[in-house]
This record gives sequence, structure tokens and C-alpha cells, in this order.
Amino acid sequence: QKEVEQDPGPLSVPEGAIVSLNCTYSNSAFQYFMWYRQYSRKGPELLMYTYSSGNKEDGRFTAQVDKSSKYISLFIRDSQPSDSATYLCAISGGYQKVTFGIGTKLQVIP
Amino acid sequence: GAVVSQHPSWVICKSGTSVKIECRSLDFQATTMFWYRQFPKQSLMLMATSNEGSKATYEQGVEKDKFLINHASLTLSTLTVTSAHPEDSSFYICSASGVNNQPQHFGDGTRLSIL
Repeated sequence: QKEVEQDPGPLSVPEGAIVSLNCTYSNSAFQYFMWYRQYSRKGPELLMYTYSSGNKEDGRFTAQVDKSSKYISLFIRDSQPSDSATYLCAISGGYQKVTFGIGTKLQVIP
Repeated sequence: GAVVSQHPSWVICKSGTSVKIECRSLDFQATTMFWYRQFPKQSLMLMATSNEGSKATYEQGVEKDKFLINHASLTLSTLTVTSAHPEDSSFYICSASGVNNQPQHFGDGTRLSIL
């Protein structure tokens, strides 16, 4: 079993839709949770990070962590074509050694 | 937000050449820098972790004599791919982490093509 599981997609949604991206993890010692956005031929860009269960909101983005289920989510409201990218979840016991998901490719269709 | 600059963005060179990639943290002190490799449609593969002034710690299977890492200051780390061959062609990405257990911030990557 992989430490972090993430559906690679692709996921296609119409503009304005709510997008739900998810990851599951196996190690209950993980306590730091991050989401990165990666455009083609670019490095990952940090979107959200948290170290506790519950929700964290930043603009159109909401990160949700459920430690009891070892399940994390990223919601994107009012999705835009510019949100089209690959979204990587990243999880660790400390920020020094991070395990990344394979990334979900998202396409928002105008 | 934290900015990490990586240079060059794209390199094409002949087999046997050594290539140096620079990674700089522009607005924070990077106590730790990381080097990753990414193949198409795959996630990031950690190659090595370096702390300023110390030798890099390489992941299993990564040749330290092939991939030389230097982290001489709190804002600069370099990766040198020595005697590069076509199988070294890949997308190399650095990241940096500051003090107080902050998350990693990434550079824009270097696309290396060895002919």
C-alpha cells in the first residue's frame, strides 16, 4: 500500500463548478498536510497547508483534513479555466520529509 | 510569499557534459533545501536533502558522485549532474524550507535534455 494515494484523473469540470480533490494516507503519524498546484513545465506552488483536523479556507480554496479517516480534501469553489493544473497533495510527519501524491490533473472547461 | 528561484530553466547539452543547476531562496533563509526529480505523469521523487554547511543526505538509489550537491549559504544550493548521459534527462526541481518548521517552497524546475 502506498503511503499516499491520489487519483491521477484527469478530472474535467465546467467553469463555475465546485471541484473536490482527495487523498488518502496510511501513516497515522502524519501530521502536516499540504496542497500544491503545478502548472505544466513549472514547479509546484504551495496553495494550502495545515496541521490539524478540520477545515481551512483561503479565498476559493478550502482544505479539509479528517485524521480519523486518514483522508484529506481540497475544494475549489467557482472554478476558473486558470485553475486547470495538476494538484498534488503532500503529507508528512514534519515538513522536512514530505510524501507527495501522484497528482490529480484538473481541466476547467470554459 | 516565499520565492525560490531556479536557474537555468532549460538545458540541452551533449552526453558527457557536466551541468550545474542553481537554487536560490530570494526572500527568506533556507535552512534546508531539497532536490527532486520528476518524470512525466509521475510525482516528485526526492533525490537529496541538504542543510546549509553540511553534506547532503541522499535517498536510496541516488548516486552522490553523480549528483553533487552544495549548500554553501542560507540562500543558495547547487546541483551538479556530472558526466550527464541521456538517461539523466529529466525535470529537476529544488525546494527550500525555512526555520520554524515551515512548508517547502519550490523553484520552477530545470528541464535537462542530454543528447
